[in-house]
Amino acid sequence: NAGVTQTPKFRVLKTGQSMTLLCAQDMNHEYMYWYRQDPGMGLRLIHYSVGEGTTAKGEVPDGYNVSRLKKQNFLLGLESAAPSQTSVYFCASSYEGQGTEAFFGQGTRLTVV
Amino acid sequence: DAKTTQPPSMDCAEGRAANLPCNHSTISGNEYVYWYRQIHSQGPQYIIHGLKNNETNEMASLIITEDRKSSTLILPHATLRDTAVYYCIVRVERNQGGKLIFGQGTELSVKP
Repeated sequence: NAGVTQTPKFRVLKTGQSMTLLCAQDMNHEYMYWYRQDPGMGLRLIHYSVGEGTTAKGEVPDGYNVSRLKKQNFLLGLESAAPSQTSVYFCASSYEGQGTEAFFGQGTRLTVV
Repeated sequence: DAKTTQPPSMDCAEGRAANLPCNHSTISGNEYVYWYRQIHSQGPQYIIHGLKNNETNEMASLIITEDRKSSTLILPHATLRDTAVYYCIVRVERNQGGKLIFGQGTELSVKP
């Protein structure tokens, strides 16, 4: 039981490049979330999903796209990376949308130069 | 979405109880209060959650006021390893995605 696994852990991109961050959970959770955290700040919600095949926008969705084709995976895409997207990205999942623990991954540190 | 207000920082002596306050005056009836902590830049770690009643687990106790407008997280015997940023979160209702909306948190420093 690995919990929530994020791939990769570190990445450096050039401005304009694209990439996909993978979040995988092995707990059969319905709800999955992508957050970003900038230095000295709390986590901000980018996108989320309440089940396979569903996605919705969070607080700061611009510049990102997501897909949830399989229940266990939630992908975060950057089509054309910008320096403002330099951040630490966290994924989380939970079985229910309320009243249960949400588990977080260990983060992906992304630098856009 | 309900917002939370926490003091930006607090100190606590090692071995003493740490009491971290949180205000959430706009919380609605079906929204839970969650507490997480983050050590350095690791992924947030779950501590406890509650709806109306006080809750206790092996890590902490959660005291929620009767009107649910505020709560207190209690670490009964703080250790140096409890030094972290503590987030009080009101979790949005399930039919709105069950989102965890983070604020700025309280930076707790446990001192010898």
